[in-house]
Amino acid sequence: QLQLQESGPGLVKPSETLSLTCAVSGGSVSSSNYYWGWIRQPPGKGLEWIGSIYYSGYTYYNPSLKSRVTISVDTSRNQFSLKLSSVTAADTAVYYCARRRSAAPFDYWGQGTLVTVSS
Amino acid sequence: DIQMTQSPSSLSASVGDRVIITCQASQDISNYLSWYQQKPGKAPKLLIYYASNLETGVPSRISGSRSGTDFTFTISSLQPEDIATYYCQQYDNLPLTFGGGTKVEIK
Repeated sequence: QLQLQESGPGLVKPSETLSLTCAVSGGSVSSSNYYWGWIRQPPGKGLEWIGSIYYSGYTYYNPSLKSRVTISVDTSRNQFSLKLSSVTAADTAVYYCARRRSAAPFDYWGQGTLVTVSS
Repeated sequence: DIQMTQSPSSLSASVGDRVIITCQASQDISNYLSWYQQKPGKAPKLLIYYASNLETGVPSRISGSRSGTDFTFTISSLQPEDIATYYCQQYDNLPLTFGGGTKVEIK
Protein backbone atom coordinates (compact mmCIF):
# COMPACT_ATOMS: atom_id res chain seq x y z
CA GLN A 1 0.00 0.00 0.00
CA LEU A 2 1.44 3.33 -1.05
CA GLN A 3 2.00 5.80 1.76
CA LEU A 4 3.11 9.43 1.66
CA GLN A 5 4.35 11.38 4.67
CA GLU A 6 5.07 15.10 4.76
CA SER A 7 7.72 16.56 7.05
CA GLY A 8 9.25 19.94 7.69
CA PRO A 9 9.13 22.98 9.98
CA GLY A 10 5.70 23.94 11.27
CA LEU A 11 6.68 27.59 11.65
CA VAL A 12 8.40 29.78 9.08
CA LYS A 13 9.21 33.48 9.36
CA PRO A 14 7.91 35.96 6.79
CA SER A 15 10.21 36.45 3.78
CA GLU A 16 11.95 33.14 4.44
CA THR A 17 11.70 29.89 2.45
CA LEU A 18 9.26 27.13 3.33
CA SER A 19 10.78 23.67 2.81
CA LEU A 20 8.85 20.41 2.99
CA THR A 21 9.65 16.83 2.11
CA CYS A 22 7.32 13.99 1.18
CA ALA A 23 8.64 10.51 1.94
CA VAL A 24 7.14 7.77 -0.22
CA SER A 25 6.84 4.17 0.96
CA GLY A 26 5.23 1.16 -0.64
CA GLY A 27 6.13 2.50 -4.07
CA SER A 28 8.84 4.32 -5.99
CA VAL A 29 9.06 7.95 -7.07
CA SER A 30 10.89 6.58 -10.12
CA SER A 31 7.87 4.61 -11.33
CA SER A 32 6.90 5.63 -14.84
CA ASN A 33 3.67 7.50 -15.58
CA TYR A 34 3.29 8.96 -12.10
CA TYR A 35 3.22 12.60 -11.06
CA TRP A 36 4.07 13.63 -7.51
CA GLY A 37 2.43 16.81 -6.39
CA TRP A 38 1.82 19.38 -3.67
CA ILE A 39 -1.56 20.85 -2.75
CA ARG A 40 -2.28 23.32 0.03
CA GLN A 41 -5.32 24.36 2.04
CA PRO A 42 -5.42 27.56 4.10
CA PRO A 43 -7.28 27.13 7.40
CA GLY A 44 -11.02 26.92 6.75
CA LYS A 45 -10.60 27.35 3.00
CA GLY A 46 -10.43 25.29 -0.18
CA LEU A 47 -7.73 23.36 -2.01
CA GLU A 48 -5.04 24.87 -4.24
CA TRP A 49 -2.69 22.89 -6.47
CA ILE A 50 0.88 24.13 -6.10
CA GLY A 51 2.70 21.98 -8.62
CA SER A 52 3.81 18.52 -9.64
CA ILE A 53 6.92 16.67 -10.72
CA TYR A 54 6.97 13.85 -13.21
CA TYR A 55 9.01 10.73 -12.46
CA SER A 56 11.49 11.95 -15.07
CA GLY A 57 12.02 15.16 -13.13
CA TYR A 58 9.95 17.46 -15.35
CA THR A 59 8.07 20.02 -13.28
CA TYR A 60 4.69 21.75 -13.63
CA TYR A 61 3.80 24.72 -11.45
CA ASN A 62 0.68 26.76 -10.78
CA PRO A 63 1.31 30.09 -12.55
CA SER A 64 0.04 31.90 -9.46
CA LEU A 65 3.01 30.56 -7.47
CA LYS A 66 5.51 29.70 -10.18
CA SER A 67 7.98 32.49 -9.40
CA ARG A 68 8.38 31.23 -5.83
CA VAL A 69 8.08 27.44 -6.14
CA THR A 70 10.62 24.70 -6.68
CA ILE A 71 9.72 21.01 -6.61
CA SER A 72 12.46 18.39 -6.81
CA VAL A 73 12.76 14.63 -6.50
CA ASP A 74 15.41 12.55 -4.73
CA THR A 75 15.24 9.04 -6.13
CA SER A 76 17.97 7.74 -3.80
CA ARG A 77 15.83 8.62 -0.78
CA ASN A 78 12.50 7.92 -2.52
CA GLN A 79 11.13 11.34 -1.68
CA PHE A 80 10.26 14.64 -3.27
CA SER A 81 10.41 18.16 -1.91
CA LEU A 82 8.77 21.57 -2.04
CA LYS A 83 10.42 24.93 -1.58
CA LEU A 84 8.34 28.10 -1.47
CA SER A 85 10.31 31.31 -1.17
CA SER A 86 9.47 34.75 0.19
CA VAL A 87 6.56 33.49 2.25
CA THR A 88 3.92 35.71 3.80
CA ALA A 89 1.02 35.06 6.16
CA ALA A 90 -1.06 34.17 3.10
CA ASP A 91 1.06 31.05 2.69
CA THR A 92 -0.13 29.68 6.05
CA ALA A 93 -1.86 26.41 5.18
CA VAL A 94 -1.96 22.67 5.52
CA TYR A 95 0.36 21.33 2.83
CA TYR A 96 -0.41 17.93 1.30
CA CYS A 97 1.71 15.77 -0.94
CA ALA A 98 -0.09 13.43 -3.30
CA ARG A 99 0.30 11.14 -6.29
CA ARG A 100 -1.54 11.00 -9.58
CA ARG A 101 -1.21 9.01 -12.76
CA SER A 102 -1.20 10.61 -16.16
CA ALA A 103 -4.69 11.90 -17.04
CA ALA A 104 -6.01 10.94 -13.62
CA PRO A 105 -6.80 12.65 -10.31
CA PHE A 106 -4.84 12.43 -7.06
CA ASP A 107 -5.42 8.94 -5.69
CA TYR A 108 -3.00 8.84 -2.77
CA TRP A 109 -2.47 11.69 -0.30
CA GLY A 110 -0.27 12.33 2.68
CA GLN A 111 -1.91 13.26 5.97
CA GLY A 112 -0.91 16.90 5.56
CA THR A 113 1.26 19.21 7.62
CA LEU A 114 0.34 22.64 8.92
CA VAL A 115 2.83 25.38 8.15
CA THR A 116 2.32 28.72 9.86
CA VAL A 117 4.06 31.85 8.61
CA SER A 118 4.66 34.19 11.52
CA SER A 119 7.45 36.13 13.14
CA ASP B 1 -7.21 28.78 -15.88
CA ILE B 2 -10.36 26.66 -15.81
CA GLN B 3 -12.75 27.87 -13.11
CA MET B 4 -14.79 25.28 -11.25
CA THR B 5 -17.99 26.73 -9.79
CA GLN B 6 -19.38 24.42 -7.14
CA SER B 7 -22.76 24.76 -5.46
CA PRO B 8 -24.15 24.93 -2.92
CA SER B 9 -21.37 25.94 -0.55
CA SER B 10 -23.20 24.16 2.24
CA LEU B 11 -26.32 22.10 2.77
CA SER B 12 -28.21 20.47 5.58
CA ALA B 13 -30.17 17.29 4.98
CA SER B 14 -31.75 14.46 6.94
CA VAL B 15 -30.49 10.90 7.08
CA GLY B 16 -31.94 9.09 4.09
CA ASP B 17 -32.31 12.22 1.96
CA ARG B 18 -31.01 12.51 -1.56
CA VAL B 19 -28.16 15.02 -1.75
CA ILE B 20 -27.04 16.68 -4.98
CA ILE B 21 -23.94 18.84 -5.47
CA THR B 22 -23.11 20.49 -8.77
CA CYS B 23 -19.90 21.70 -10.33
CA GLN B 24 -19.71 23.79 -13.50
CA ALA B 25 -16.51 24.11 -15.50
CA SER B 26 -15.73 27.37 -17.28
CA GLN B 27 -14.85 25.43 -20.44
CA ASP B 28 -15.02 21.93 -21.84
CA ILE B 29 -13.06 19.45 -19.71
CA SER B 30 -14.49 16.31 -21.28
CA ASN B 31 -14.96 13.82 -18.44
CA TYR B 32 -11.77 14.82 -16.60
CA LEU B 33 -13.56 15.61 -13.37
CA SER B 34 -13.11 14.02 -9.98
CA TRP B 35 -14.88 14.29 -6.64
CA TYR B 36 -13.23 14.12 -3.23
CA GLN B 37 -14.56 13.79 0.30
CA GLN B 38 -12.73 15.56 3.11
CA LYS B 39 -13.48 15.02 6.78
CA PRO B 40 -12.18 17.46 9.42
CA GLY B 41 -8.46 17.16 10.01
CA LYS B 42 -8.05 14.60 7.23
CA ALA B 43 -6.71 14.58 3.71
CA PRO B 44 -9.16 14.53 0.81
CA LYS B 45 -10.24 11.06 -0.29
CA LEU B 46 -10.89 10.31 -3.95
CA LEU B 47 -14.45 9.08 -4.53
CA ILE B 48 -15.14 9.50 -8.24
CA TYR B 49 -12.89 9.88 -11.29
CA TYR B 50 -13.62 10.49 -14.96
CA ALA B 51 -16.92 12.11 -13.94
CA SER B 52 -18.78 8.92 -13.05
CA ASN B 53 -16.39 6.13 -12.12
CA LEU B 54 -16.42 5.06 -8.48
CA GLU B 55 -13.09 4.46 -6.79
CA THR B 56 -12.76 0.99 -5.29
CA GLY B 57 -14.60 0.69 -1.99
CA VAL B 58 -16.87 3.71 -2.47
CA PRO B 59 -20.47 2.84 -1.60
CA SER B 60 -22.95 2.57 -4.44
CA ARG B 61 -25.20 5.25 -2.95
CA ILE B 62 -22.66 7.71 -4.35
CA SER B 63 -22.69 8.54 -8.04
CA GLY B 64 -21.52 11.15 -10.51
CA SER B 65 -22.68 12.34 -13.90
CA ARG B 66 -21.90 14.86 -16.62
CA SER B 67 -23.94 17.03 -18.95
CA GLY B 68 -21.70 19.21 -21.06
CA THR B 69 -19.69 21.35 -18.67
CA ASP B 70 -22.05 20.64 -15.76
CA PHE B 71 -21.20 17.83 -13.35
CA THR B 72 -23.37 16.35 -10.62
CA PHE B 73 -22.42 14.45 -7.49
CA THR B 74 -25.25 12.55 -5.83
CA ILE B 75 -25.67 10.71 -2.56
CA SER B 76 -28.87 8.74 -3.01
CA SER B 77 -29.50 8.19 0.71
CA LEU B 78 -27.48 10.35 3.08
CA GLN B 79 -25.80 8.47 5.92
CA PRO B 80 -24.19 9.88 9.07
CA GLU B 81 -20.73 8.86 7.81
CA ASP B 82 -21.23 11.07 4.73
CA ILE B 83 -20.88 14.22 6.81
CA ALA B 84 -17.91 15.96 5.23
CA THR B 85 -16.89 18.62 2.75
CA TYR B 86 -16.90 17.59 -0.90
CA TYR B 87 -14.71 19.05 -3.65
CA CYS B 88 -14.72 18.69 -7.40
CA GLN B 89 -11.47 18.94 -9.35
CA GLN B 90 -10.70 19.17 -13.06
CA TYR B 91 -7.62 17.47 -14.42
CA ASP B 92 -8.05 18.23 -18.09
CA ASN B 93 -5.77 21.27 -18.14
CA LEU B 94 -3.03 22.79 -16.05
CA PRO B 95 -3.22 24.40 -13.61
CA LEU B 96 -5.28 21.74 -11.87
CA THR B 97 -8.19 23.49 -10.19
CA PHE B 98 -10.72 22.65 -7.51
CA GLY B 99 -14.23 23.79 -6.79
CA GLY B 100 -14.84 25.81 -3.66
CA GLY B 101 -16.27 22.90 -1.71
CA THR B 102 -19.66 21.89 -0.31
CA LYS B 103 -20.07 21.25 3.39
CA VAL B 104 -22.71 18.61 4.04
CA GLU B 105 -24.34 18.53 7.45
CA ILE B 106 -27.09 16.49 9.07
CA LYS B 107 -30.34 18.31 9.77
